[in-house]
Amino acid sequence: DIQMTQSPSSLSASVGDRVTITCRASQNINTYLVWYQQKPGTAPKLLIYASSNLQSGVPSRFSGSGSGTDFTLTISSLHPEDFATYYCQQTYSPPLTFGGGTKVEI
Amino acid sequence: EVQLVESGGGLVQPGGSLRLSCAASEFPFSDYWMSWVRQTPGKGLEWVANIKQDGSEKYYVDSVKGRFTISRDNTKNSVHLQMNSLRAEDTAVYYCARESIRGSYFDSWGQGTLVTVSS
Repeated sequence: DIQMTQSPSSLSASVGDRVTITCRASQNINTYLVWYQQKPGTAPKLLIYASSNLQSGVPSRFSGSGSGTDFTLTISSLHPEDFATYYCQQTYSPPLTFGGGTKVEI
Repeated sequence: EVQLVESGGGLVQPGGSLRLSCAASEFPFSDYWMSWVRQTPGKGLEWVANIKQDGSEKYYVDSVKGRFTISRDNTKNSVHLQMNSLRAEDTAVYYCARESIRGSYFDSWGQGTLVTVSS
């Protein structure tokens, strides 16, 4: 199985900050990576697919990059509604696996 | 707007069974792979099983093989997860999720249903 490792597991930030979250795959997954945002008590929401493609309706302050084993999710300027937990997921091969999550706190 | 509504969760004793259901609406259900994904505080998000559009292919994570069965009814726009021989480690919120046409990721999720396995 492909292991997905996110860092950091949590971070503190302020409104307006630039935030970067890292996801590392245990093997080459090309650009077969997606990012989700999850707020407490709700289901995850798709943000980015194929490493860098913004899902329809997602604000442009979110961006993704990377290929192979190393990927990043960047929020260019943190908004109050962005405080949440973020997960990466590889879509390269089954079983589909997720990172452990990064909690973005105030 | 895509709607996915899970039901069937609850408290069950170890070794017991439970059947989860997911009612889908507002999209052409028979065009999509469907999955079940679970979430626990300790293990995070875990993909559990998925099923092809016509039900001809089904895949499972190793930890549930032989115990869980995914099925779908395209006439009723529903997908199900039959869970047998339940263990404490199956305790989680179970989400029904639609897989994107573009690939093996989830572009719509239900609200989740809690399954608790405990004596």
